Amino acid sequence: GEDVEQSLFLSVREGDSSVINCTYTDSSSTYLYWYKQEPGAGLQLLTYIFSNMDMKQDQRLTVLLNKKDKHLSLRIADTQTGDSAIYFCAENSGGYQKVTFGTGTKLQVIP
Amino acid sequence: DADVTQTPRNRITKTGKRIMLECSQTKGHDRMYWYRQDPGLGLRLIYYSFDVKDINKGEISDGYSVSRQAQAKFSLSLESAIPNQTALYFCATSDLGRDSSTDTQYFGPGTRLTVL
Repeated sequence: GEDVEQSLFLSVREGDSSVINCTYTDSSSTYLYWYKQEPGAGLQLLTYIFSNMDMKQDQRLTVLLNKKDKHLSLRIADTQTGDSAIYFCAENSGGYQKVTFGTGTKLQVIP
Repeated sequence: DADVTQTPRNRITKTGKRIMLECSQTKGHDRMYWYRQDPGLGLRLIYYSFDVKDINKGEISDGYSVSRQAQAKFSLSLESAIPNQTALYFCATSDLGRDSSTDTQYFGPGTRLTVL
């Protein structure tokens, strides 16, 4: 079945850039997502990218997709303490397939 | 008001008890999901339903059952709770093909279940 992997933890200093990485196995992935989970809350979609794109930028967020290596990354510029959360990568091959989530990366921002 | 609600938000129960977790949504979405979250294991899918007449097992359905009472309601039952079912449970909805082609999932706030 599909597999989505992430490192469990990342620590950065406030103001630095954060890069959260994700690898997936499903070569037919059509949509790839980044979700954010703040403490005590459910997940919320941050951004997504279609598989025919290499990059998507949205304010401080940059998503890079290397489809050949099945590697997705999320870069957060000028990381703030409010960015501290768990970030989940997810993928979906569309149609009647379900979304598969990664294990989540806990981002700790040090003031 | 929240679009996806879960009740209860917290529950402590004993081994062997039957527990039902409820989920309601006002988004009008056809697809609903139940996940559990455990530290270091991310989200694991328990059951999902693509419409009222469609129920599918996820990767960890053993020990759980579901009921899709209406488009807006999807409940999860633990017939005989055991301690390793202690976890955070999330309900989610999505609607591929209608207002979004991306199958974005909308999550409820979660139910923290403790089985003693």
